[in-house]
Amino acid sequence: SQKIEQNSEALNIQEGKTATLTCNYTNYSPAYLQWYRQDPGRGPVFLLLIRENEKEKRKERLKVTFDTTLKQSLFHITASQPADSATYLCALDPPRAGNMLTFGGGTRLMVKP
Amino acid sequence: NAGVTQTPKFQVLKTGQSMTLQCAQDMNHEYMSWYRQDPGMGLRLIHYSVGAGITDQGEVPNGYNVSRSTTEDFPLRLLSAAPSQTSVYFCASSYSGTTYEQYFGPGTRLTVT
Repeated sequence: SQKIEQNSEALNIQEGKTATLTCNYTNYSPAYLQWYRQDPGRGPVFLLLIRENEKEKRKERLKVTFDTTLKQSLFHITASQPADSATYLCALDPPRAGNMLTFGGGTRLMVKP
Repeated sequence: NAGVTQTPKFQVLKTGQSMTLQCAQDMNHEYMSWYRQDPGMGLRLIHYSVGAGITDQGEVPNGYNVSRSTTEDFPLRLLSAAPSQTSVYFCASSYSGTTYEQYFGPGTRLTVT
């Protein structure tokens, strides 16, 4: 089965800096990958989807890269703000049609003013 | 649109009791799923449905039942609650397939004593 690794330790950065979160996976190569944000006590909220033929995708201050050779996705938040503090989850598509996403454990980001 | 709604928000059960977690969506989404989230772990898929009348098991289905009689509703039944089922439960829906973003409900925090 697919194994997804995200840093379990919290990432602490200073406001204004760029936050970089990592999502590594093993076994099969997914056709696409999604990133979600989760605030305490709430459900995850979709941020970005990147396909295997897309090396990079941007949305406002967010950037996601997808390296199928390294089996890794990087999630960047530029000019980070305290409001960006949350847990960020990556999710991979299933190995066969009709199944559902597999989520990583998430990385907690803390942006300090 | 209300999106994905879940009830109750909190629940305490005694070991052996049964209950149903309710999930409804008003976006006419075909795909619906149930996840559980435990501290330090990612979202784990319990059951999912790709349309009314069709359900399938996810990664951790034991002790749970589902049915999908309508497009809108996807209840999760705990047959005989156990302390190991203490968790936060999230319901999610998507338009069609996992290439589309998942919309999550606010979650149900369940404690089994």
